[in-house]
Amino acid sequence: AQSVTQPDIHITVSEGASLELRCNYSYGATPYLFWYVQSPGQGLQLLLKYFSGDTLVQGIKGFEAEFKRSQSSFNLRKPSVHWSDAAEYFCAVAPWAGGFKTIFGAGTRLFVKA
Amino acid sequence: DAGVIQSPRHEVTEMGQEVTLRCKPISGHDYLFWYRQTMMRGLELLIYFNNNVPIDDSGMPEDRFSAKMPNASFSTLKIQPSEPRDSAVYFCASSSHSSGGEETQYFGPGTRLLVL
Repeated sequence: AQSVTQPDIHITVSEGASLELRCNYSYGATPYLFWYVQSPGQGLQLLLKYFSGDTLVQGIKGFEAEFKRSQSSFNLRKPSVHWSDAAEYFCAVAPWAGGFKTIFGAGTRLFVKA
Repeated sequence: DAGVIQSPRHEVTEMGQEVTLRCKPISGHDYLFWYRQTMMRGLELLIYFNNNVPIDDSGMPEDRFSAKMPNASFSTLKIQPSEPRDSAVYFCASSSHSSGGEETQYFGPGTRLLVL
């Protein structure tokens, strides 16, 4: 069965420090992969997505993610975190483009300290 | 574009009452999704529509839940009768299927439902 694991429930980083959020998936083939961000009281906003091609994908707000097939991972990174990045981040997988039957991870809440 | 619009933003009701959540997708989008988010279960896909037709409702928890999409610009999710365990945030999302297949789901702000 398809599944998405985000091992870290919450992470705290200092402003200006680098960030890596982990995501592992279980799926029979290469799925379509997404990272979403959710600010308090808001809906989910797409940060980036991977369908094929270059395994390092760039997203909005300075985020990037790298797809590693051998590790079934799709980790999200940012070189320098800003206080406004504090939010909850969701990794998601879908069997094909459009997010149909998209499965979301449990989320990782990011805290940013001054 | 106004984005996906959901109403109401907050709903407090008593157990046994009927609850209707509303969604207006982005104009031109042909897919509409209903999700439920809880602390315990995270984000779950309940049902999705394509061109106003329900495609997969396997995520609908039970018969108390029903969803309709009478036209391309409006969908409802109804719970009747409501129970305290239905308390959650309900999100509507829409997307447009493009030839490239790289469509993105756009989420509404959600409806926070509390059933007492």
